Amino acid sequence: GESVGLHLPTLSVQEGDNSIINCAYSNSASDYFIWYKQESGKGPQFIIDIRSNMDKRQGQRVTVLLNKTVKHLSLQIAATQPGDSAVYFCAEKVEAGGTSYGKLTFGQGTILTVHP
Amino acid sequence: DGGITQSPKYLFRKEGQNVTLSCEQNLNHDAMYWYRQDPGQGLRLIYYSQIVNDFQKGDIAEGYSVSREKKESFPLTVTSAQKNPTAFYLCASSPNLAASYNEQFFGPGTRLTVL
Repeated sequence: GESVGLHLPTLSVQEGDNSIINCAYSNSASDYFIWYKQESGKGPQFIIDIRSNMDKRQGQRVTVLLNKTVKHLSLQIAATQPGDSAVYFCAEKVEAGGTSYGKLTFGQGTILTVHP
Repeated sequence: DGGITQSPKYLFRKEGQNVTLSCEQNLNHDAMYWYRQDPGQGLRLIYYSQIVNDFQKGDIAEGYSVSREKKESFPLTVTSAQKNPTAFYLCASSPNLAASYNEQFFGPGTRLTVL
C-alpha cells in the first residue's frame, strides 16, 4: 500500500516468487490507471495500464487488478527476477472534462527488492 | 527513455542563481509535463503544456517558469525564488492532453543540487 511521509512501503521477495504490490487510489472519478517502474536515478517506465471498465488486465509476467468498490489497485509480478528490483508507482487519471484536463496523480511508490 | 531527452543529467547551482533544465522529445507529442520528485515521495506536477505557446501551472509552480516555443521542446527554469530546489526533475510527454487513455512517457531526469 501507500504511506505518507519519507518512508516508502517495502516488499522483499526471493527470486522466483510472485510479488504483489498494492495501491489505494483517492478519486472515485478516476477512469484510467497506470503502473510505472522506476529504477534508481532513472525516469519511470510504463509497465501496464487498465481502464476503469475492466477489473483485470494481463501483460508479460504482470497482471493488474482493479477493485473500484474499495478503490484499490494491485500489480502482480510472476516469477520475480532481480532485475525487477525498483520503485513501483501507481498513477490514476480523472476523466478529462470541465475543469479537469485529466492529469495523472501519482502514489508515493513501493520499493521492491528481489533477492537472488 | 521513449524518445525524450533531458540535459544535463546532474546540475549544481549556487543559491540565488537561476538555472534552466532542458527537455526535448521526438515523439511528435502535443502535451508535455514537468514533475519534481523528492526522496520517498511521488511525483508532483510543476507545469504542463497542451500545445505550442500554451502552458498551465501544476500543483507546485511557485519559483518555476517554462516556455513552449517549439512542439518538441519544453525547458524549465528554476528561479532563485524557489526555496528548496534540490530535487530530481522529470519531464514527460503524451500524445494528447485530454485523451482519456493516455500514458505519459518520461525522460531520464535531471538531478539538481543547490550548493
